[in-house]
Amino acid sequence: EPEVTQTPSHQVTQMGQEVILRCVPISNHLYFYWYRQILGQKVEFLVSFYNNEISEKSEIFDDQFSVERPDGSNFTLKIRSTKLEDSAMYFCASSDPSVAGTMQFFGPGTRLTVL
Amino acid sequence: AQSVTQPDIHITVSEGASLELRCNYSYGATPYLFWYVQSPGQGLQLLLKYFSGDTLVQGIKGFEAEFKRSQSSFNLRKPSVHWSDAAEYFCAVGAFLTGGGNKLTFGTGTQLKVEL
Repeated sequence: EPEVTQTPSHQVTQMGQEVILRCVPISNHLYFYWYRQILGQKVEFLVSFYNNEISEKSEIFDDQFSVERPDGSNFTLKIRSTKLEDSAMYFCASSDPSVAGTMQFFGPGTRLTVL
Repeated sequence: AQSVTQPDIHITVSEGASLELRCNYSYGATPYLFWYVQSPGQGLQLLLKYFSGDTLVQGIKGFEAEFKRSQSSFNLRKPSVHWSDAAEYFCAVGAFLTGGGNKLTFGTGTQLKVEL
């Protein structure tokens, strides 16, 4: 069964450093998403991406964040200058346009720890 | 804006007992509703979804959920819980985005503990 994959599974970085989280969505999916889950809190929407552009972003997704689909398979989330409060689990998801993009499949997540 | 409430933070049931996890949503139109399960250190696995039609939906692992528009609820049920069901359960509502796709709004989750 196809699945969303994410690398790395755990990333530790120093405050102020740039990090890139990588995701490989399911191959025929066209809608891509990032969510985050701060420890002990609920999963929050960050951004959606379709047709090589952001279709919606949350207020969390400020200028420090960016997303990119650099090739036909990867989907990345970049945090330019990490802050302590960026420590969280980051989930990538993708969905299939043939069902109006309604059902999202999630990757296993990347745990980001900012020291 | 849509929202989801899961009133029970923790629930403990005995193995073999029945289970009901509560979920209430707020959404202006016909909602798309989902239940996801998250095991420790794992990602989110879709249990079931409601888009339209039959208000009782069946999912994986023996779970079902019933959509009740009058109560704005989408409660998850399982007739007989197994120890492996211990996990955190998230209810979510999906909203279409004008640019395509949809945005999921999650509840705060219910942590299920199963006693042997």
